[in-house]
Amino acid sequence: AQSVTQLDSQVPVFEEAPVELRCNYSSSVSVYLFWYVQYPNQGLQLLLKYLSGSTLVKGINGFEAEFNKSQTSFHLRKPSVHISDTAEYFCAVSETGSARQLTFGSGTQLTVLP
Amino acid sequence: ETGVTQSPTHLIKTRGQQVTLRCSSQSGHNTVSWYQQALGQGPQFIFQYYREEENGRGNFPPRFSGLQFPNYSSELNVNALELDDSALYLCASSSKTGVDYGYTFGSGTRLTVV
Repeated sequence: AQSVTQLDSQVPVFEEAPVELRCNYSSSVSVYLFWYVQYPNQGLQLLLKYLSGSTLVKGINGFEAEFNKSQTSFHLRKPSVHISDTAEYFCAVSETGSARQLTFGSGTQLTVLP
Repeated sequence: ETGVTQSPTHLIKTRGQQVTLRCSSQSGHNTVSWYQQALGQGPQFIFQYYREEENGRGNFPPRFSGLQFPNYSSELNVNALELDDSALYLCASSSKTGVDYGYTFGSGTRLTVV
């Protein structure tokens, strides 16, 4: 079984500052990794995913993440945040074998301050 | 293309009652997955349906059941409601069973059990 730990439950940051949201996972088999964003009263939207290949993954809205197998991490970064980036961010993992279900972390609330 | 539509958006039920939640898949999608998101938590996988058959199940008791119809819409039924069933229920559709192909999430149904 796999698990995901999002190390920060809340991250406040000023507008135009860089941000990193941390995610560590645990699994005995190879995995796919994902970052989703959830705006208030909405469903989840995929930001980016790592399936294979290059460990640096670029997503929508200027976000990127780096897969580090030795550290079992998949941290999300953005060089300059906007007020509109305020949302809940979820890291998720799935085993490559079955790949039928996502296991999510408990989320990080990113609040961008003016 | 239409997205994933869930109904109702909000629902209040009494402990012990039964509830049915509905999900219309995105056009062209034949796979539906259901997730439960308790307040302050990440979503948890309930089950997946592919071509009207259950195709994987998470750690939820049998009182959580589902259906998928020939048009690929889906229902989630919960019997004997408990207070802990209060949560946001998310439906996600996809064109294949694997999470690597990408899910489209609906906005969810907020269920409150009193």
